[in-house]
Amino acid sequence: SAVISQKPSRDICQRGTSLTIQCQVDSQVTMMFWYRQQPGQSLTLIATANQGSEATYESGFVIDKFPISRPNLTFSTLTVSNMSPEDSSIYLCSPDLAGAGENIQYFGAGTRLSVL
Amino acid sequence: ILNVEQSPQSLHVQEGDSTNFTCSFPSSNFYALHWYRWETAKSPEALFVMTLNGDEKKKGRISATLNTKEGYSYLYIKGSQPEDSATYLCAFSRSGGGADGLTFGKGTHLIIQP
Repeated sequence: SAVISQKPSRDICQRGTSLTIQCQVDSQVTMMFWYRQQPGQSLTLIATANQGSEATYESGFVIDKFPISRPNLTFSTLTVSNMSPEDSSIYLCSPDLAGAGENIQYFGAGTRLSVL
Repeated sequence: ILNVEQSPQSLHVQEGDSTNFTCSFPSSNFYALHWYRWETAKSPEALFVMTLNGDEKKKGRISATLNTKEGYSYLYIKGSQPEDSATYLCAFSRSGGGADGLTFGKGTHLIIQP
């Protein structure tokens, strides 16, 4: 397993502003996944971030809206840019521990974002 | 498009009763089926990861079965307790495992009534 620290845990933001969510893992991981869950919807993969290369975004998500940084193997950030009320969601990071022999995906505690 | 369906969406159960709910997933390109319990303001807690057809796993009062040929999994809770109240998520991973991330259902929201 891993210790995953995600912050902020929650925030209330104004329309048009941006929020950066941080995810720190206590071990080195090659890939970091970012997910979101909009109200009443499934937890959905936004993008996969590898250290040293540009993140890979899923259909419906773009880099301009959700820029991701991956400066080292233990840390990543996701920014929600130019926010609108539709961005109100729970955002979760998930380090890929498959390289450490783990079949289980672990998650941070999430960032609960409300956009007014 | 991968669809993972969970039913029911929500469930109210009396304390002490047993219950179960369903996850259906694509039967092609299957790698693993994951079950999570997610309580408000906490990380989703991994309950089971199952990879083989016919797999049955158990953790205390909770157990799960897997049928990869027909694409479904059941989660069972025996003798429900108030602390079992949570949203239960299932997620599917394709061939290639974690490299593709997980595809989740919308979850079953379970409320145990004392």
